[in-house]
Amino acid sequence: NAGVMQNPRHLVRRRGQEARLRCSPMKGHSHVYWYRQLPEEGLKFMVYLQKENIIDESGMPKERFSAEFPKEGPSILRIQQVVRGDSAAYFCASSLGQGAIEPQHFGDGTRLSIL
Amino acid sequence: GQQLNQSPQSMFIQEGEDVSMNCTSSSIFNTWLWYKQDPGEGPVLLIALYKAGELTSNGRLTAQFGITRKDSFLNISASIPSDVGIYFCAVLNNDMRFGAGTRLTVKP
Repeated sequence: NAGVMQNPRHLVRRRGQEARLRCSPMKGHSHVYWYRQLPEEGLKFMVYLQKENIIDESGMPKERFSAEFPKEGPSILRIQQVVRGDSAAYFCASSLGQGAIEPQHFGDGTRLSIL
Repeated sequence: GQQLNQSPQSMFIQEGEDVSMNCTSSSIFNTWLWYKQDPGEGPVLLIALYKAGELTSNGRLTAQFGITRKDSFLNISASIPSDVGIYFCAVLNNDMRFGAGTRLTVKP
């Protein structure tokens, strides 16, 4: 199965720790997107990356959150000094191209719980 | 900013009934998408619409891209228990924006 792979599926952190969420896009996809979903809500866009470049981070909080998509390896969403409000499901999606004609395909998410 | 209004918020139907949900926007978009999300999983693409007025089917699912490019609807015919889940509309521009979802419950 060459779908979008996210790990870990579940992550528990204490307040103040760091959380690292990983995403491997579908084979051949070079565009990666991160979304956040709170219970009973839709997905909220956070950041869009291509290899080694952040294209749009308009949905990402200015502090504590960062994302990268290195030349080799998965995309990483990093949350420093986590707080209770960071508890959510974080989804990664990938697409073949960019713009208004390429649907995104999603992974099964990482559920982050902050104690 | 861009906002998608999806309705209804939730639906409780009997197995075998047809379902209809819709999404409207205050802005024009050239691509509309419908996704389904099962509990504990990521959204799965059901139908993609690229042309105003386009009507597209995928099995028991039918979706239409409104002629004004500001709305879309999704119909599910003869619902079955595995149709249960959350259905999201989404629009594509340079990034993707989602509606809040329609939660579908199907009673056997």
